[in-house]
Amino acid sequence: DQQVKQNSPSLSVQEGRISILNCDYTNSMFDYFLWYKKYPAEGPTFLISISSIKDKNEDGRFTVFLNKSAKHLSLHIVPSQPGDSAVYFCAASLPSGGSNYKLTFGKGTLLTVNP
Amino acid sequence: DGGITQSPKYLFRKEGQNVTLSCEQNLNHDAMYWYRQDPGQGLRLIYYSQIVNDFQKGDIAEGYSVSREKKESFPLTVTSAQKNPTAFYLCASHLSSYNSPLHFGNGTRLTVT
Repeated sequence: DQQVKQNSPSLSVQEGRISILNCDYTNSMFDYFLWYKKYPAEGPTFLISISSIKDKNEDGRFTVFLNKSAKHLSLHIVPSQPGDSAVYFCAASLPSGGSNYKLTFGKGTLLTVNP
Repeated sequence: DGGITQSPKYLFRKEGQNVTLSCEQNLNHDAMYWYRQDPGQGLRLIYYSQIVNDFQKGDIAEGYSVSREKKESFPLTVTSAQKNPTAFYLCASHLSSYNSPLHFGNGTRLTVT
């Protein structure tokens, strides 16, 4: 039973345009959400996160939006750059207070930014 | 320069052999994790450890074993009981403070033939 879903395996956008990556979750108890970026043969790197008490978090070109009623979050990259081409993973965690903390990941979306 | 070191980068083994993957961190993080990545499957949790000498099974622990004798080290053994061991293995760690993100190593690609 997949609790975090990224329904688009791939996305292709033009350089300079907006990239929108989507993520849905089924467990309403998740209270913290993260986006990771991953290049081939490397470990994922943390991009941006959002707590369930917020609906938006912004960091430079990256903005994450959270819609709790729809159990949906999205990552916006503006403007997109060729170096953004990578696999993007959405992840979620349950309230843990530090103990028993673990992330549940989606299957990832391959973003290709064309020059 | 702090980080998570996984070694080796590539590992080849014959079927039926146990193999141990190394993970060392110098970030002074309390918690450590092992994930497995397969094509089209995302990252799946194998084992995790919040403190030394304690660890818990993740979602796909069968055929794997771990130890946590030191804070800095969390080795993963892939046993011969693991039916599909060929995969990309990722080690991660984080501070045991509320909602700190996981930091990942660069992974070990294990191929079993």
